[in-house]
Amino acid sequence: DAKTTQPTSMDCAEGRAANLPCNHSTISGNEYVYWYRQIHSQGPQYIIHGLKNNETNEMASLIITEDRKSSTLILPHATLRDTAVYYCIVRVGSSGYSTLTFGKGTMLLVSP
Amino acid sequence: EPEVTQTPSHQVTQMGQEVILRCVPISNHLYFYWYRQILGQKVEFLVSFYNNEISEKSEIFDDQFSVERPDGSNFTLKIRSTKLEDSAMYFCASLAGRQETQYFGPGTRLLVL
Repeated sequence: DAKTTQPTSMDCAEGRAANLPCNHSTISGNEYVYWYRQIHSQGPQYIIHGLKNNETNEMASLIITEDRKSSTLILPHATLRDTAVYYCIVRVGSSGYSTLTFGKGTMLLVSP
Repeated sequence: EPEVTQTPSHQVTQMGQEVILRCVPISNHLYFYWYRQILGQKVEFLVSFYNNEISEKSEIFDDQFSVERPDGSNFTLKIRSTKLEDSAMYFCASLAGRQETQYFGPGTRLLVL
């Protein structure tokens, strides 16, 4: 079972920042936080991952609290194409080869 | 940008028939996966494949399922005798190495009648 808790849905206005929270209070020291998203009927798409430091790439930023029990994915300027289900996944190590356990995710709706 | 491709995009079959879903992973990738997503439900792991053998499989992946990498480029999922409950989107994924991330294909929508 997924080890994370996310809100079922969120709304965001186009052009504004979307902040998607995730709780992972039972995370272990060797577990990373991964974020994927799934646009309707498409395959999941990798966004970002991190261990304890904040991370940023061309798609998003990941803020992980100091106690690592929660994190926030930030889409700085949401567009309509960012409407998708966003999954927060905790997995052991940074080894990408281990399987992904998806939860129900957060349905983000970006509106004009 | 390289991508994982899957064929067919849609497959309709009769219950009890065999189906083969095909995937072409990104060319230098070493690890391969199948996941499925029943309509309205979560994405579920089926099987992982490395070095020409199954490395991990879930409870869903029973004797009706098999995987193969027949020619060094394609990666296939076979369902021997389909059931109604096999209707789902099937996603293939691959990654280059242990420190990399998984890239997913667009999926095959399987409908069993």
